[in-house]
Amino acid sequence: GIQVEQSPPDLILQEGANSTLRCNFSDSVNNLQWFHQNPWGQLINLFYIPSGTKQNGRLSATTVATERYSLLYISSSQTTDSGVYFCAVDRDDKIIFGKGTRLHILP
Amino acid sequence: EAGVVQSPRYKIIEKKQPVAFWCNPISGHNTLYWYLQNLGQGPELLIRYENEEAVDDSQLPKDRFSAERLKGVDSTLKIQPAELGDSAVYLCASSLAVGGGWETQYFGPGTRLLVL
Repeated sequence: GIQVEQSPPDLILQEGANSTLRCNFSDSVNNLQWFHQNPWGQLINLFYIPSGTKQNGRLSATTVATERYSLLYISSSQTTDSGVYFCAVDRDDKIIFGKGTRLHILP
Repeated sequence: EAGVVQSPRYKIIEKKQPVAFWCNPISGHNTLYWYLQNLGQGPELLIRYENEEAVDDSQLPKDRFSAERLKGVDSTLKIQPAELGDSAVYLCASSLAVGGGWETQYFGPGTRLLVL
């Protein structure tokens, strides 16, 4: 089946820093979403982005479907950005999540 | 607008006991998902419903797990009997799928299960 790999697995940054999270997938996909899971376990969808670029405030995402990767950019990090960021892909109605990138923003 | 509601939030049971989880999706969402999330891992899809129909249950361990979505709204996930390895967080999500596409999913807070 399709493989979803996220990098880096862990990231520790000072408040105010910028970061780039990557999601690679092993085969073509129909759709891709980015999620943030906060320290209390709540999963929040950030972007529904099968291709192209989207921006929402300090966050933006780019998916290059032909090269099988997606990037999530976080600018001017805040402590509330801490948590785990997951990408999930959909292929042939199978939904696969990556293992996530754990982000810790230090005050 | 109310989000996805799950109950209970926490459950502790002894192995071999039955357990059930309940999910109320966002009003109007026709697609409902149950996921299992182990510590340090991403969610794994167990079953996906479109209205009342289970369109993907390939990852549901059918020997002990069962699910239903009566009337295409609320859903219940059951484990009988529970095993130690079932300790995890069980997440419910819903979406408004149009034309069979995979649309934005909204997750509930999850039920944290501990099997002793």
